[in-house]
Amino acid sequence: SQLAEENSWALSVHEGESVTVNCSYKTSITALQWYRQKSGKGPAQLILIRSNEREKRNGRLRATLDTSSQSSSLSITATRCEDTAVYFCATDAATGNYKYVFGAGTRLKVIA
Amino acid sequence: EAAVTQSPRSKVAVTGGKVTLSCHQTNNHDYMYWYRQDTGHGLRLIHYSYVADSTEKGDIPDGYKASRPSQENFSLILELASLSQTAVYFCASSEANSDYTFGSGTRLLVI
Repeated sequence: SQLAEENSWALSVHEGESVTVNCSYKTSITALQWYRQKSGKGPAQLILIRSNEREKRNGRLRATLDTSSQSSSLSITATRCEDTAVYFCATDAATGNYKYVFGAGTRLKVIA
Repeated sequence: EAAVTQSPRSKVAVTGGKVTLSCHQTNNHDYMYWYRQDTGHGLRLIHYSYVADSTEKGDIPDGYKASRPSQENFSLILELASLSQTAVYFCASSEANSDYTFGSGTRLLVI
């Protein structure tokens, strides 16, 4: 079973709207990362949030982490067409060997 | 600019043949990883390495070998390619428990 998984397969929003992608995970973690993958490209890291942090921001992006419910969210405000991508969460499963397990991803389409 | 470079960008291989995918990083990172991505799915870890001349099995190592001859280079080897290994392969590097830098991927088609 997936150690990390996003809760929606696909989302679509209109440009300028806000959107939230959710992720749940199954084990203790030391950190969770959010990545974005555009078509034909490798994933690019957006935010790394550690287990002792509750919120992290990066421009129009805001990630939250709730270790009690083992969940995280990534919110994007004022979406743009170039935000169209697949969004992954990845967790390290607190194994101590720094390898991350990725969810299957949420496909976000921003419509002009 | 620090980067992860994969070669080739795409490859067609015949079933039973040997395939080597190469990865080179200029990030001075200790950790390197090989993931595969199947259409519409997330990334699954095949092998990783945290030091030169040493590799570790990931979650799906069967049918794959890895080689880390130097800090900068990490190869993925398919000794006997099979149809089920058709996928996009991504290499990444990182510092300990930090963000990953991914390459652009290698599209492998096994026929």
